[in-house]
Amino acid sequence: EPEVTQTPSHQVTQMGQEVILRCVPISNHLYFYWYRQILGQKVEFLVSFYNNEISEKSEIFDDQFSVERPDGSNFTLKIRSTKLEDSAMYFCASGSGTPNQPQHFGDGTRLSIL
Amino acid sequence: AQKVTQAQTEISVVEKEDVTLDCVYETRDTTYYLFWYKQPPSGELVFLIRRNSFDEQNEISGRYSWNFQKSTSSFNFTITASQVVDSAVYFCALSERVSWGKLQFGAGTQVVVTP
Repeated sequence: EPEVTQTPSHQVTQMGQEVILRCVPISNHLYFYWYRQILGQKVEFLVSFYNNEISEKSEIFDDQFSVERPDGSNFTLKIRSTKLEDSAMYFCASGSGTPNQPQHFGDGTRLSIL
Repeated sequence: AQKVTQAQTEISVVEKEDVTLDCVYETRDTTYYLFWYKQPPSGELVFLIRRNSFDEQNEISGRYSWNFQKSTSSFNFTITASQVVDSAVYFCALSERVSWGKLQFGAGTQVVVTP
């Protein structure tokens, strides 16, 4: 079964540095998402992306964050100047866009900010 | 405002006991989907079940069953004859027509199954 892949599985970065998290969605999916889960807390929606633009974003997704689909296969989340509170698990998901089909999640990238 | 409430923080059971996880949701949409996801200690999110708002038929799949009641805005999930491998955090999630694709998760319920 096709799956969403995320790299790296764990990223350690100094506070203030830029970080890029990468995702390869399922190839025939059109909708892409990023979610965040701070340790021990619930999964929170960050952003959805369709047709090369953001379709919806949460209040968490401020100017420090950006998303891009640079080459038609990868889907990236960039955090420009990381803060300690950005430490979390970041999940990428993709979907066909039809509500009766569940989103497929990647295994996540654990981001640790020092 | 909290759209999905999972009031149980942690449930501990002994193997072979049944465990029921509660989920209460809030939406003004008449069309929506509800989901259950499992997050084992390894951290990935595993899709278990979805239900749309027009399908209140409850279902059993192996050791899993669901009880969807629109009248009480509840979507409860039961594991029958629990096993140690069922130990995980279980999340209930809502997707509304006004914003398909955006999953709104509850806080999760940690299930601990001991031998």
